[in-house]
Amino acid sequence: AQKVTQAQTEISVVEKEDVTLDCVYETRDTTYYLFWYKQPPSGELVFLIRRNSFDEQNEISGRYSWNFQKSTSSFNFTITASQVVDSAVYFCALSLTFNKFYFGSGTKLNVKP
Amino acid sequence: NAGVMQNPRHLVRRRGQEARLRCSPMKGHSHVYWYRQLPEEGLKFMVYLQKENIIDESGMPKERFSAEFPKEGPSILRIQQVVRGDSAAYFCASSPRRGGGDTEAFFGQGTRLTVV
Repeated sequence: AQKVTQAQTEISVVEKEDVTLDCVYETRDTTYYLFWYKQPPSGELVFLIRRNSFDEQNEISGRYSWNFQKSTSSFNFTITASQVVDSAVYFCALSLTFNKFYFGSGTKLNVKP
Repeated sequence: NAGVMQNPRHLVRRRGQEARLRCSPMKGHSHVYWYRQLPEEGLKFMVYLQKENIIDESGMPKERFSAEFPKEGPSILRIQQVVRGDSAAYFCASSPRRGGGDTEAFFGQGTRLTVV
């Protein structure tokens, strides 16, 4: 069975702080894909990143970075120098085939000015 | 190139009525997925459709829910005799082909159903 756990329900930080959102996944498949999505207060889902199970290289995109570690089945997301506009719910998701996603329960990030 | 279009964005129904949610996939996409997001929860897979075919409906409730994706027109998620527990955001995603997770799925903005 597949499962994604986001243990942090809600995180509050002050602007310019760094923050890491944790994601732990479970699957017995050797080929899988991991995703992060952002859901701002307006409600839509914004795609942030996709990673396949064979690529453990960390990725950096501006203030965002992702740390994929197969040894611990984790795919953590770090926002550096957070901004108020980063306030949103962030979802980690796992997919094996045909875009059938298994989503975590989400982490609500509050960035205060 | 318009994204995935869902309508209506907000839908209010009284208990016992029917709700019809529409999803127009991105141009050139023939694969549609429906997800449900209950309040304060993550999205849960409901059904995967290809034109005129249901490929995987393992996440669909056994009763009152149905989905279709006709040869022409949008995909429809139909909920009959709605109950308060059906109140949720329903998201549609589309992709150009059946692939692994390497085929990116694009999500619509969702339809927020409220049952009163």
